[in-house]
Amino acid sequence: QKEVEQDPGPLSVPEGAIVSLNCTYSNSAFQYFMWYRQYSRKGPELLMYTYSSGNKEDGRFTAQVDKSSKYISLFIRDSQPSDSATYLCAMRIITGGGNKLTFGTGTQLKVEL
Amino acid sequence: NAGVTQTPKFQVLKTGQSMTLQCAQDMNHNSMYWYRQDPGMGLRLIYYSASEGTTDKGEVPNGYNVSRLNKREFSLRLESAAPSQTSVYFCASTTLGVGGYTFGSGTRLTVV
Repeated sequence: QKEVEQDPGPLSVPEGAIVSLNCTYSNSAFQYFMWYRQYSRKGPELLMYTYSSGNKEDGRFTAQVDKSSKYISLFIRDSQPSDSATYLCAMRIITGGGNKLTFGTGTQLKVEL
Repeated sequence: NAGVTQTPKFQVLKTGQSMTLQCAQDMNHNSMYWYRQDPGMGLRLIYYSASEGTTDKGEVPNGYNVSRLNKREFSLRLESAAPSQTSVYFCASTTLGVGGYTFGSGTRLTVV
């Protein structure tokens, strides 16, 4: 079983829809949680970063962490065609381990006009 | 622009050939990483360097070697390329403590 599970999609939604992307994890030592966005043929870029349980909002994006359920989510409001990309969740332990991140396999999102 | 620079961007190798992928960052980051990305497999860690002077194996190190040349540069070497090493390779860096990675734009490698 992988430490981080993520539905690969693809997920196709109409413009303006609310998108929900999710990851589950098995290692309770994970304390930092991130979402990366990767456009086709580009490197991943950091989108959201959170440490504690609860919600963190940045513009149209909201990251949600539920440590008790080992479940994290990324919500995109008023989705735009420019949001079409692969979204990767990532997480790491607090200290040590060389700051290594463990990634989900990514969910491919397409926002259609 | 500040960031992570990878060279080359594309490469085609014949089986058995060797090559070195170069990575440099100008953000004064301590830790550097090499990942490969394959369809359906996500990002898999090959090697990493938590700080200058140290290197450690990741999830899929076989067939690769690395060198942390200085704080800025971290290279990945394929000594005898195999078709199974056809992939997109990403270099990333981060500072110690909290923070996400900054990724390079990748090297697309094909081994024939």
